[in-house]
Amino acid sequence: EAGVAQSPRYKIIEKRQSVAFWCNPISGHATLYWYQQILGQGPKLLIQFQNNGVVDDSQLPKDRFSAERLKGVDSTLKIQPAKLEDSAVYLCASSPRRKQAGGGYGYTFGSGTRLTVV
Amino acid sequence: SQQGEEDPQALSIQEGENATMNCSYKTSINNLQWYRQNSGRGLVHLILIRSNEREKHSGRLRVTLDTSKKSSSLLITASRAADTASYFCATDGKGVISGSRLTFGEGTQLTVNP
Repeated sequence: EAGVAQSPRYKIIEKRQSVAFWCNPISGHATLYWYQQILGQGPKLLIQFQNNGVVDDSQLPKDRFSAERLKGVDSTLKIQPAKLEDSAVYLCASSPRRKQAGGGYGYTFGSGTRLTVV
Repeated sequence: SQQGEEDPQALSIQEGENATMNCSYKTSINNLQWYRQNSGRGLVHLILIRSNEREKHSGRLRVTLDTSKKSSSLLITASRAADTASYFCATDGKGVISGSRLTFGEGTQLTVNP
């Protein structure tokens, strides 16, 4: 099966500019996640979608970050305006919906977008 | 906040040796997962162990889970240079009704020297 597609692969912008990232999850995966991974750290969840609804955006800096998942398939993550501390890899992942309490599936991650804010 | 904490932060071994990485977490979980990340790439799912399981094998990987101690270990046997990567544990916390929600640790950087 095709993997999770992300674009662009790299992006360099100046602070206060805006940027957008795109993700196409695995077909049929109901749940989509955006993670931020700062160099040398583990990924941190920014937002989780179930179909086209937001399940968890508690760690999304809403004053500058926004995300949407139109029609429950593709998703875009936007930063406006960008700050130096936003330099990181932005990872998109998808997984099937949990069928029962206690169950679970591994996530499939895309290759990520490496953002550098100068 | 990060739930999983890996130990050690960095591990360097010779090819053919076994590598053991540990993970501790704080809250109740549905399952615990291990991922590998090669430099500059996305994460790859290695193995999932459910909260009612104690040990699981997949090829050269062996994962154990001790829910009473809230800890897990990942053993890679007969390591190869290609195993060089960062390894992350991730916990799927209880209380999430729809979908799962993984919280990642900071990772262990494994270097396997030829």
